Amino acid sequence: ETGVTQTPRHLVMGMTNKKSLKCEQHLGHNAMYWYKQSAKKPLELMFVYNFKEQTENNSVPSRFSPECPNSSHLFLHLHTLQPEDSALYLCASSQDLGTQTYNEQFFGPGTRLTVL
Amino acid sequence: GNSVTQMEGPVTLSEEAFLTINCTYTATGYPSLFWYVQYPGEGLQLLLKATKADDKGSNKGFEATYRKETTSFHLEKGSVQVSDSAVYFCALVTGANNLFFGTGTRLTVIP
Repeated sequence: ETGVTQTPRHLVMGMTNKKSLKCEQHLGHNAMYWYKQSAKKPLELMFVYNFKEQTENNSVPSRFSPECPNSSHLFLHLHTLQPEDSALYLCASSQDLGTQTYNEQFFGPGTRLTVL
Repeated sequence: GNSVTQMEGPVTLSEEAFLTINCTYTATGYPSLFWYVQYPGEGLQLLLKATKADDKGSNKGFEATYRKETTSFHLEKGSVQVSDSAVYFCALVTGANNLFFGTGTRLTVIP
């Protein structure tokens, strides 16, 4: 595997279910991100992890719970979601050099989530 | 605050037509500007970037010039191909990690 992979690619769940999205990066990066892509809206940054530490949480509801066990893996645990949470969830990674210089983020193909 | 506004799609063009996708931005400080492309079933890929005023980013025949006076970063290509069909996102960054995206413009190129 190369780049950034995400599983599953498609997920349908009920509002009472608990599921998890998985992201794995094979690029040796130290920063990982979750984004939400909804139709006709800009991509929304949800969470940022640098060196496995969560550094950003953009006012995301607690029904979304991220986990970063190591610098290569990132999870998004989902529980009691709402239909409006249906979207494409994208994972990305980058090499953060600890400066204020932007370092390119590499994106996975996303998980298409449908909440019934 | 920071935001990006790009032209609404979808855009449908015939092969070899000229493409322009408009993008304007609002930012604090001096942002770097980007165009990302998302092909069907894939993640976003960086297409081109410009880090300061008057810079021109270019890649795969696409170009965009950072215009500070008009706060714009319009994407252009002289002759599109069917393989250019994708969703294009304009974005800016003002710090190390904070990317701000537009809503995306879907381009369909027909033979």
